[in-house]
Amino acid sequence: KQEVTQIPAALSVPEGENLVLNCSFTDSAIYNLQWFRQDPGKGLTSLLLIQSSQREQTSGRLNASLDKSSGRSTLYIAASQPGDSATYLCAVDNTNAGKSTFGDGTTLTVKP
Amino acid sequence: KAGVTQTPRYLIKTRGQQVTLSCSPISGHRSVSWYQQTPGQGLQFLFEYFSETQRNKGNFPGRFSGRQFSNSRSEMNVSTLELGDSALYLCASSLWQGGRGYTFGSGTRLTVV
Repeated sequence: KQEVTQIPAALSVPEGENLVLNCSFTDSAIYNLQWFRQDPGKGLTSLLLIQSSQREQTSGRLNASLDKSSGRSTLYIAASQPGDSATYLCAVDNTNAGKSTFGDGTTLTVKP
Repeated sequence: KAGVTQTPRYLIKTRGQQVTLSCSPISGHRSVSWYQQTPGQGLQFLFEYFSETQRNKGNFPGRFSGRQFSNSRSEMNVSTLELGDSALYLCASSLWQGGRGYTFGSGTRLTVV
């Protein structure tokens, strides 16, 4: 059974700081890994999708990496802004699971 | 193109009632998955439908059911509501079954009183 862990559960940083969010998973037989952002009371917005054959994906100030062998993914946010404040979740899609398993998320607060 | 549409956005129901939630996936997407999100349990997988067939099911009681129509729209039904069913219900669509990259709707906030 896949288990996905995100540490830390909460993070507070000053505006402009570069930061890294972590996601670890126990079963490396994955099809892809997806990072989402969720604002309070809202749905999930997809940020980046990394296929199992890829090592990283970039979109603007965001960069996500994937290391299947160690069961880890990181989401790097450059030059953080108050508008980045949200909960960030990672979801792992296992080859044979037929579903994605979500971590509990990291709640990020960027202070002006 | 239009995103994933969930209706209604908010619902208040009484214990013992039943409720039906609707999800229209992105045009061309044939897979619809449902998740329940609560503060204590996080995102929990309910079920997935692909081409009108339930392909995968999470660990929820039989009070939770769903279906998918020929146009890929999906509904989920919860019967005999309990207070613990209060949650944000999220629908996600994808091109292929088994995840493969989700696009989520805004969710339906269900409150059971």
